[in-house]
Amino acid sequence: QSVLTQPPSVSGAPGQRVTISCTGGSSNIGADHDVHWYQQLPGTAPKLLIYDNTNRPSGVPDRFSGSKSGTSASLAITGLQAEDEADYYCQSYDSSLSGSLFGGGTKLTVL
Amino acid sequence: EVQMLESGGDLVQPGGSLRLSCAASGFTFSSYAMSWVRQAPGKGLEWVSIIYGSDGSTYYADSVKGRFTISRDDSKNTVYLQMNSLRGEDTAVYYCARAIGGGLVIYFDNWGQGTLVTVSS
Repeated sequence: QSVLTQPPSVSGAPGQRVTISCTGGSSNIGADHDVHWYQQLPGTAPKLLIYDNTNRPSGVPDRFSGSKSGTSASLAITGLQAEDEADYYCQSYDSSLSGSLFGGGTKLTVL
Repeated sequence: EVQMLESGGDLVQPGGSLRLSCAASGFTFSSYAMSWVRQAPGKGLEWVSIIYGSDGSTYYADSVKGRFTISRDDSKNTVYLQMNSLRGEDTAVYYCARAIGGGLVIYFDNWGQGTLVTVSS
């Protein structure tokens, strides 16, 4: 079980809005460490989607947004498209474990 | 364009050794930290190791500490991962990634396509 907890799966219809949560604790997200998000399309390498909680790298559509509050962070995807079907991972630093950690990942299905 | 190309993945017996390479291009390699992240079949991502370009400092996940060694050759724009005493649980796709940040407060802004390491008899 990951220190950063994500729902195993979420789903939504095209055009809808979905959110993926990443729940941590007082030694990672709650300690004000930044959260980053990655998208992994089937059979491909991960791709940076959101960094430092809310920032999008160049080329990432503004349909993707990140937020953080307390010991949790969230990734929101609006205007869901078929091409968004992928695995999504959150990542942060944990000061108790002295390591960079990933959440367990969430599989997004576009219905 | 930033690119990383991993190589060296193979089938190896438990207890064996393997060296992975990652050739980078499209950026000033010596100015960036480089990391390895792995993904076991059907599983999630696990950070493995990082090496900084500024002072060569290195960090490792507890799961590989004492068995894996990360190094870099800035003249060849290449980072390596020497893996010794390999175990079945080391079976994974190993990704090379460019890291941004300091210490272990990092994120990975560019990734290679990965190389598969299989540890089995």
